[in-house]
Amino acid sequence: QSVLTQPPSASGTPGQRVTISCSGSSSNIETNYVYWYQQFPGRAPKLLIYADNQRPSGVPDRFSGSKSATSASLAISGLRSEDEADYYCEAWDDSLTGPVFGGGTRLTVL
Amino acid sequence: QVQLQESGPGLVKPSETLSLTCAVSGVSISGYFWSWIRQPPGKGLEWIGSIHYTGSTNYNPSLRGRVTISVDTSKSQLSLKVRSTTGPDTAVYYCTRGRGAGTYGMDVWGQGTTVSVS
Repeated sequence: QSVLTQPPSASGTPGQRVTISCSGSSSNIETNYVYWYQQFPGRAPKLLIYADNQRPSGVPDRFSGSKSATSASLAISGLRSEDEADYYCEAWDDSLTGPVFGGGTRLTVL
Repeated sequence: QVQLQESGPGLVKPSETLSLTCAVSGVSISGYFWSWIRQPPGKGLEWIGSIHYTGSTNYNPSLRGRVTISVDTSKSQLSLKVRSTTGPDTAVYYCTRGRGAGTYGMDVWGQGTTVSVS
């Protein structure tokens, strides 16, 4: 049971816009930054979004993050086949005094 | 560029201690937090613990005191020990730069090393 709640799956067709939600609480998402990680099968996770809505160098601007109160979202516009991967949200939890992750969302490009 | 490389035995017997190291290159260990994350087969990511370069540590309470993380700045490496292992400790283990807080979260990850407890 993950502290942050994500839908287990999401899908879209090439060119579409897809959003993945991440629900938390006042001890994590509401008061701390949210991060998003992208993971391809058999590979290590990669930081995709930091500080709620910032992209590391090299991440396409098709990826964007947002946050409101205890929820966060990752949006992918202009969906491409190479976006098919698992996506995890993460935030620091003040009660745990450590980071907590969502259970992950598997994105399928139809 | 910054690179992290985990290493250690791929197979550990139940009740024994799992020991891994993470070699850090391309950046000094000083000035950062470092973390260990694991991922059981087919499952999500779990935070194990974090260490500041000064040696201050923070562990996931769910691991009930079985974990020790240390840092050796002279060798530029981190270490992880998990005692009294059981089957659920089977996972891919990753070391990361950062502790999932502050501006950048965990911005660099090692490739991971697979450990089976059997």
